Amino acid sequence: QTVVTQDPSFSVSPGGTVTLTCGLGSGSISASNYPSWFQQTPGQAPRTLIYNTRIRSSGVPDRFSGAILGNKAALTITGAQADDESHYYCVLSMGSGTWVFGGGTKLTVL
Amino acid sequence: EVQLVESGGGLVQPGGSLRLSCAASGFTFSPYWMDWVRQAPGKGLVWVSHINGEGKTNYADSVKGRFTISRDNAKNTLYLQMNSLRVDDTALYYCVRENWGIDSWGQGTLVTVSS
Repeated sequence: QTVVTQDPSFSVSPGGTVTLTCGLGSGSISASNYPSWFQQTPGQAPRTLIYNTRIRSSGVPDRFSGAILGNKAALTITGAQADDESHYYCVLSMGSGTWVFGGGTKLTVL
Repeated sequence: EVQLVESGGGLVQPGGSLRLSCAASGFTFSPYWMDWVRQAPGKGLVWVSHINGEGKTNYADSVKGRFTISRDNAKNTLYLQMNSLRVDDTALYYCVRENWGIDSWGQGTLVTVSS
């Protein structure tokens, strides 16, 4: 069973920069995993921030960026704001139309 | 603007059936690959099922043999037929669009399986 790993929690100071990562238990992530990142606040549907590794979804501020760093997918938030405090999920394509989500990271801004 | 609107959720007894629908608008539906993703109360996101533009499908092991994904391109609608429902199928079910990743989400429809 494929496991996609995310740190359960992370914190960042207001105005600071944080990089959240998404790992593949059995190997390295590549562009062909089409990593996507989502933000979800309580009671709301997820909102796509980044898809296809680094493409920013419409309306997403450019302080959110995606990349592959080493063997992981990464979401970097630059100039963190209070309303960035949310759960962040990644998802990876395993091919043949199958996807695996990470367990999510709860980001605290304080 | 891409819009995905789910419907069809509700309360059903274990062993029962439901059919979810997702009405798509704001884009040309037929070429896009579409999926269902679910989220149990207080839990994370879980991929459920996929369908490509030609109707080829795939399923998570937990629903294989019980759920069937389909689409009607003439009606711009995605479906999920859910049979033999179990208590652990209780979740918000989201319709999502693939675009070299997952780029759009609906608001979700709640399925509760309980006696």
